[in-house]
Amino acid sequence: AQSVAQPEDQVNVAEGNPLTVKCTYSVSGNPYLFWYVQYPNRGLQFLLKYITGDNLVKGSYGFEAEFNKSQTSFHLKKPSALVSDSALYFCAVRVMGGATNKLIFGTGTLLAVQP
Amino acid sequence: DTAVSQTPKYLVTQMGNDKSIKCEQNLGHDTMYWYKQDSKKFLKIMFSYNNKELIINETVPNRFSPKSPDKAHLNLHINSLELGDSAVYFCASSHGRTVATGELFFGEGSRLTVL
Repeated sequence: AQSVAQPEDQVNVAEGNPLTVKCTYSVSGNPYLFWYVQYPNRGLQFLLKYITGDNLVKGSYGFEAEFNKSQTSFHLKKPSALVSDSALYFCAVRVMGGATNKLIFGTGTLLAVQP
Repeated sequence: DTAVSQTPKYLVTQMGNDKSIKCEQNLGHDTMYWYKQDSKKFLKIMFSYNNKELIINETVPNRFSPKSPDKAHLNLHINSLELGDSAVYFCASSHGRTVATGELFFGEGSRLTVL
């Protein structure tokens, strides 16, 4: 079955330290991978995507993600965390289905950045 | 101007009632979606419409009926509400029939509580 997994329910990091939020995927064919962020009581916001090209993808708010085909991973990273980065982060994968496609989301990882 | 707007933002109702949630997007997108986010923050697609045509219909009880009067609007009507329907319902939109670009624009959600 095509899916995406986020193995950590929560990630804690001190402000100023680097952060990583993990994501692994299982799809047939070339993966289209995405990261979204959800702030409290808000809708999801698109952060970045990998479709093809460089394995390191840069996105909004200083975030980047590294696509690793051999490990089927797409981890989200940031060199220096901010308290304002605290939010729920979702990894997503495009799943092919006939004439249309859809995004399947992971279970989310809560990022808590301590001052 | 809010890009994807949903009403109402909060909805509290009794079991067995019928309720509707409305969604409008002013982005000129062709495709709109309904997602359900449960109490564990798990996000699952329910329906998708492209230019008023239903293109994704997941295994959702037939008590849920989406309606798209035009490509800028997608409403969700729920009959005979059950306790398990309590969740946050997100409307989203994207350009094009497929999610090749992956960028969905989400509304702020409608929190439904069934008592």
